Amino acid sequence: AQKITQTQPGMFVQEKEAVTLDCTYDTSDPSYGLFWYKQPSSGEMIFLIYQGSYDQQNATEGRYSLNFQKARKSANLVISASQLGDSAMYFCAMREGNNAGNMLTFGGGTRLMVKP
Amino acid sequence: GAGVSQSPSNKVTEKGKDVELRCDPISGHTALYWYRQSLGQGLEFLIYFQGNSAPDKSGLPSDRFSAERTGGSVSTLTIQRTQQEDSAVYLCASSLGDWGGELFFGEGSRLTVL
Repeated sequence: AQKITQTQPGMFVQEKEAVTLDCTYDTSDPSYGLFWYKQPSSGEMIFLIYQGSYDQQNATEGRYSLNFQKARKSANLVISASQLGDSAMYFCAMREGNNAGNMLTFGGGTRLMVKP
Repeated sequence: GAGVSQSPSNKVTEKGKDVELRCDPISGHTALYWYRQSLGQGLEFLIYFQGNSAPDKSGLPSDRFSAERTGGSVSTLTIQRTQQEDSAVYLCASSLGDWGGELFFGEGSRLTVL
């Protein structure tokens, strides 16, 4: 089974609107961390936001927020007030507590396109 | 520079040749990771180094792939007898190794096997 599932291969959003990128995960470990990365066309991976499984509140970083629904095992990324520069691939990733290291497992990504 | 440095940025090789890809992590980062990203795909974990511990090689796709990390710093990923399906971007990342710490990625090495 896929550990990280991103069901939206591509998304369009109008500039200045909010958009939600879906991510569901699968783990039996009670201790885990969830990450979102942005990959523009230039190829670099840019860290956006982190949510720990024991965090009581949803993580926020500027225009990014993570809608963490633990019971549903979802960690959707919400981008408010979309900008043209937000057009990129977005990857959800998970680190599990029973992993011997700190390796991240990535989803397949969602391509976001912001329309002017 | 202060970031993760990878070289070469682009490599074109002929099928059957060996290639070496280099990663210089951020100074002080104890953890180093190699991932592979095929065109339009997500990131596939290859190998992970943490300090002086034995590396986690569970993601290496075949015995043609190997990696080493010298002196706890620079890492080299070697692909022997390259095949066309090895064509991808190879991304290196490093982190402080703490639980909540994010991975800092290099810009990748794009490998094309003809």
